[in-house]
Amino acid sequence: DTGVSQNPRHKITKRGQNVTFRCDPISEHNRLYWYRQTLGQGPEFLTYFQNEAQLEKSRLLSDRFSAERPKGSFSTLEIQRTEQGDSAMYLCASSLGLRAMNTEAFFGQGTRLTVV
Amino acid sequence: GQQLNQSPQSMFIQEGEDVSMNCTSSSIFNTWLWYKQDPGEGPVLLIALYKAGELTSNGRLTAQFGITRKDSFLNISASIPSDVGIYFCASHDSGTYKYIFGTGTRLKVLA
Repeated sequence: DTGVSQNPRHKITKRGQNVTFRCDPISEHNRLYWYRQTLGQGPEFLTYFQNEAQLEKSRLLSDRFSAERPKGSFSTLEIQRTEQGDSAMYLCASSLGLRAMNTEAFFGQGTRLTVV
Repeated sequence: GQQLNQSPQSMFIQEGEDVSMNCTSSSIFNTWLWYKQDPGEGPVLLIALYKAGELTSNGRLTAQFGITRKDSFLNISASIPSDVGIYFCASHDSGTYKYIFGTGTRLKVLA
């Protein structure tokens, strides 16, 4: 396994279009996270999954954003009706969640979204 | 919500110098993670700490989990040009499994 994989690496879209990003976590990891990062800032939490269940969503995740992890493996993040303010790096991470313990998270290379 | 404050915000050092940065919080945490991020890339995990007082090394990097559980330190010895990047601390938000990140320390190494 080569780590967390994200596709595409870069996406340029026109305002108002829908975009979808994919994340393939490390194979045995049951937790998957999505973060957003803007220039000069640290990653901001968007949502996370334990297997296929979406357990927490940030207030940053407006109703234009939806994330899925249908079989508890890969995940998709869709943004509908994109706005210029959605331009950011979208990061995916995964971790091996053990009962009563939170192990370290490993990140993918990110998807850079530019909305024009 | 909980916040992690990192200092300094940025550092310019000469190659070969040692570097020290820290991360503090008003809340108690059970985990501290340190990441390095290069431009246009995702964060790469450097060191993970799980126990108060723990001191862990990874090559030229050494990190410590503060005894109060409210802070952590990262030291880099004998810096080299490839140490350039942004260093983030992160911790596990209490009551959930999400990670929160610090504000970052930008390191520049002058040859």
